[in-house]
Amino acid sequence: DAGITQSPRHKVTETGTPVTLRCHQTENHRYMYWYRQDPGHGLRLIHYSYGVKDTDKGEVSDGYSVSRSKTEDFLLTLESATSSQTSVYFCAITRANLGEQYFGPGTRLTVT
Amino acid sequence: ILNVEQSPQSLHVQEGDSTNFTCSFPSSNFYALHWYRWETAKSPEALFVMTLNGDEKKKGRISATLNTKEGYSYLYIKGSQPEDSATYLCAFKSLRGNDYKLSFGAGTTVTVRA
Repeated sequence: DAGITQSPRHKVTETGTPVTLRCHQTENHRYMYWYRQDPGHGLRLIHYSYGVKDTDKGEVSDGYSVSRSKTEDFLLTLESATSSQTSVYFCAITRANLGEQYFGPGTRLTVT
Repeated sequence: ILNVEQSPQSLHVQEGDSTNFTCSFPSSNFYALHWYRWETAKSPEALFVMTLNGDEKKKGRISATLNTKEGYSYLYIKGSQPEDSATYLCAFKSLRGNDYKLSFGAGTTVTVRA
């Protein structure tokens, strides 16, 4: 257990509505990541952060934004949810840049 | 996007049998290779981080080997047990200049039949 929580754990929302997912860590790690997991694709990186207010895009960042105003919290926002964003979202932390990943419990998001 | 492939996609193993499966990755810009175990309804958990060509890692009945020159890693499960049923993910970490990337394979799902 790397002290990572995600909220909410499950959410159903309608197309076009904004959605924010929260990742919270208690171990003061510098690096935090958001992934989405879809069948046949493994885990794909959406955005990551290497410090407070320092974020960068991953391979599937379109339609997503992130913010990190505190070390412990990394927020993922879908400005206007689409059905293609139905997925399971995992937050992860590492002790070194893209080192061994410690994952949160995941958030299952359904966009109807 | 770096091409990381795992094969087979799934396999069924009889309890007590041993099995192995493959992760293939680009042989250039290698930095590290991760293996994760992902049980249903849980989060992926790290098994191994491998960095050197020829590395062999072992944890209980699970072991892994690494060949960075030809771009593959094998994961072995010896004497499979039902609790070994999970999806096993590999992730290839590359370094090009100052830019790290980590790309996951789609996983091999192992089902151990009692």
